[in-house]
Amino acid sequence: QVTLKESGPGMLQPSKTLSLTCSFSGFSLSTSGMVVSWIRQPSGKSLEWLAAIDWDGDKYYNPSLKSRLTVSKDTSNTQVFLKITSVDIADTATYYCARRRPNYGSYYFDYWGQGVMVTVSS
Amino acid sequence: EIVLTQSPTTMAASPGEKVTITCRASSSVSYMHWYQQKPGASPKPWIYDTSKLASGVPNRFSGSGSGTSYSLTISSMETEDTATYYCQQWSSNSLTFGSGTKLEIK
Repeated sequence: QVTLKESGPGMLQPSKTLSLTCSFSGFSLSTSGMVVSWIRQPSGKSLEWLAAIDWDGDKYYNPSLKSRLTVSKDTSNTQVFLKITSVDIADTATYYCARRRPNYGSYYFDYWGQGVMVTVSS
Repeated sequence: EIVLTQSPTTMAASPGEKVTITCRASSSVSYMHWYQQKPGASPKPWIYDTSKLASGVPNRFSGSGSGTSYSLTISSMETEDTATYYCQQWSSNSLTFGSGTKLEIK
């Protein structure tokens, strides 16, 4: 059974660095074809893809946010992390991690975490 | 970056009514994927590879399209279909979602 769960600080101040963790089970990120992404959604708004990391450690970023994002994974291949630097109010959102359907030609997400809400406020 | 524009933004349909949601891409894409999201919940995969139904999706749903124009259709609206639907594409190492279509029951 595949599950993903996000965790984060809940609230942080503008200009700080946001650190998020995605813990997952039911698959290993060391398995060929596995990719985990971060996606966010401000309240009442659409979804925005942020970053992805694959089984080989290759990283992909949303070009509009690339300078502020760092995605990484742990050595046990059961967690993925996202750091966003210099946050401001516009970064207030629910943050999801999601798995790309592995070893499949097209790119879509077959499993999502429950999301973690992050509020940026002074 | 490919921009996906969904229409309508919101709509209401009566039970039994046919519903069509459109997603237009700013450049041609090979596939379109759709997600259903209900309030307070994570998005669920709904239609993938333009026309394939995800596990558990009722067969009153269908997807079609090519190039820059794609659509999600419900042949006969039911109360449980009330949700927001998002399209999604991946191209040139960049992934984008549509702006969403909120579907309500009349």
